[in-house]
Amino acid sequence: KQEVTQIPAALSVPEGENLVLNCSFTDSAIYNLQWFRQDPGKGLTSLLLIQSSQREQTSGRLNASLDKSSGRSTLYIAASQPGDSATYLCAVIRDQGGKLIFGQGTELSVKP
Amino acid sequence: GAVVSQHPSWVICKSGTSVKIECRSLDFQATTMFWYRQFPKQSLMLMATSNEGSKATYEQGVEKDKFLINHASLTLSTLTVTSAHPEDSSFYICSAKNTEAFFGQGTRLTVV
Repeated sequence: KQEVTQIPAALSVPEGENLVLNCSFTDSAIYNLQWFRQDPGKGLTSLLLIQSSQREQTSGRLNASLDKSSGRSTLYIAASQPGDSATYLCAVIRDQGGKLIFGQGTELSVKP
Repeated sequence: GAVVSQHPSWVICKSGTSVKIECRSLDFQATTMFWYRQFPKQSLMLMATSNEGSKATYEQGVEKDKFLINHASLTLSTLTVTSAHPEDSSFYICSAKNTEAFFGQGTRLTVV
């Protein structure tokens, strides 16, 4: 059974810092991995989607890496801003059916 | 990205009544939609997978007679919480899939 774990559960940093969020999964046979952002009481916004054949994806200040063999993904946020404060969720997609299995999330707070 | 609209965004109902939540893909056709439930400070738990024109597939432990899912068209899926009780109070989120999963804004259900 696939399990997804995110560390740390919560993180508080001063504005401007670079930071890394970690995601690990127990079954390396994944189709894709996706990172999301969730603001309090809101739905999910997709940040980055990494295909299983890819090693990383970049969008602006965000960079996500994927190492299937070790069952790990990281989300790197450069030059953090208070507007980055949110919960970040990673999810693995098992197959083309699209079912996502989520980690518990990392609650990020960026202090001005 | 593609837009998924979920309605209502919040609802309060009396115990014993039924509540319907709609999930629409506004600018794409979704053969598959997913319904998730999220408790406070927890991650998303998949409830069921909904395929257009066929019966939904429910995850283990989810009561199909309590959570009725209908996927009548390629752009609309509905979740009906029947005979709601306070323990059904939660945040419900749908997602619709084309090449990747896009999420609705979520529905906060409070049963009093």
